[in-house]
Amino acid sequence: NAGVTQTPKFQVLKTGQSMTLQCAQDMNHNSMYWYRQDPGMGLRLIYYSASEGTTDKGEVPNGYNVSRLNKREFSLRLESAAPSQTSVYFCASSEGGGGGFEKLFFGSGTQLSVL
Amino acid sequence: GEDVEQSLFLSVREGDSSVINCTYTDSSSTYLYWYKQEPGAGLQLLTYIFSNMDMKQDQRLTVLLNKKDKHLSLRIADTQTGDSAIYFCADLYSSASKIIFGSGTRLSIRP
Repeated sequence: NAGVTQTPKFQVLKTGQSMTLQCAQDMNHNSMYWYRQDPGMGLRLIYYSASEGTTDKGEVPNGYNVSRLNKREFSLRLESAAPSQTSVYFCASSEGGGGGFEKLFFGSGTQLSVL
Repeated sequence: GEDVEQSLFLSVREGDSSVINCTYTDSSSTYLYWYKQEPGAGLQLLTYIFSNMDMKQDQRLTVLLNKKDKHLSLRIADTQTGDSAIYFCADLYSSASKIIFGSGTRLSIRP
């Protein structure tokens, strides 16, 4: 059972470089999320997509863009990486539909370092 | 605004009970969750409580919800070394279909 798959697992970038983090889920979920995890800050929501074709900003969207390519895939792009974006990034998905119980399924994370 | 707060660390002796606390600000919360993160892994749902309940028990886990004070707690009875992890409180904002997490409480177990 694949669940939520994130690539890559590790990445080192230089300041100013760009990259895209990929995420795919095979559970036919409607909603997908990108979080970043920093020590002492917990998980902070960057962007989410409540359904295919929609995306919305979370708590910390600056410096990021997202694309909900189709129902399965939700990518996160850093156009010009900054050291402040050094973090562990998690993709998650849930059944969605609004108003009811939501259980998030998480990928294993991407450790990103920006030098 | 939307906020979920927890203390960062908790240390307990093996066999004792652990109590992890959380406060939240959203007055329209429908579900509140506890997620567990083991080292090097993503989060996994541990348990949850619906907002019209004040207690939920699941084997060694007891969740207490005080909706008036917007306070949630997770009690782990007979804490074992395998319970060492980071525990996250989370709140479902149903109006926006998004889930907001607290900072996480790192639970360490002393022999």
